[in-house]
Amino acid sequence: DVKVTQSSRYLVKRTGEKVFLECVQDMDHENMFWYRQDPGLGLRLIYFSYDVKMKEKGDIPEGYSVSREKKERFSLILESASTNQTSMYLCASSTPGLGGEQYFGPGTRLTVT
Amino acid sequence: DAKTTQPTSMDCAEGRAANLPCNHSTISGNEYVYWYRQIHSQGPQYIIHGLKNNETNEMASLIITEDRKSSTLILPHATLRDTAVYYCIVRVGTSGTYKYIFGTGTRLKVLA
Repeated sequence: DVKVTQSSRYLVKRTGEKVFLECVQDMDHENMFWYRQDPGLGLRLIYFSYDVKMKEKGDIPEGYSVSREKKERFSLILESASTNQTSMYLCASSTPGLGGEQYFGPGTRLTVT
Repeated sequence: DAKTTQPTSMDCAEGRAANLPCNHSTISGNEYVYWYRQIHSQGPQYIIHGLKNNETNEMASLIITEDRKSSTLILPHATLRDTAVYYCIVRVGTSGTYKYIFGTGTRLKVLA
């Protein structure tokens, strides 16, 4: 069974802390994505990566960075967490081909206080 | 980027067909339409996708209008477990660097 796992389901951090959200996929997928989901706004793309060490900005990259050192792992980094980054964070992976449906992890609900 | 418009919410009686509409009037010729659903507290789950022809799989059918400006997802016999938020998505980009443009989705409630 295909799997995308995220390091935590729930996380509480303080303003100004550096936060790491980890995502691992076991499907040997080239592409990986980070989204945030907020009520009334749907899913918005933060960053994505289509190869190891490659990254592309999504629609809302400000305040975030990413790291992809290995094919199976894609990390989202909040350099200095702020309260407006309180959200649900979803990771996904896909193949780059024409079908290329995305497989999502269960999400991490981050609260910044 | 192409965007999608969906009704905020819909109800459907259990056992009946659920027809979920989506408008994507600015879609480009090579951009696919994808449908996902998200059950509470889970990540979105893939349902079906298409380009211009109608598609069917074990979960649903996708009807795309000839001008490709809109589509309808059909769940032929809705069950209570189909209660979820359904997202109509346009996939943009080029081979190898595709990304999704999500809308805000339709909250489908299946009623017993």
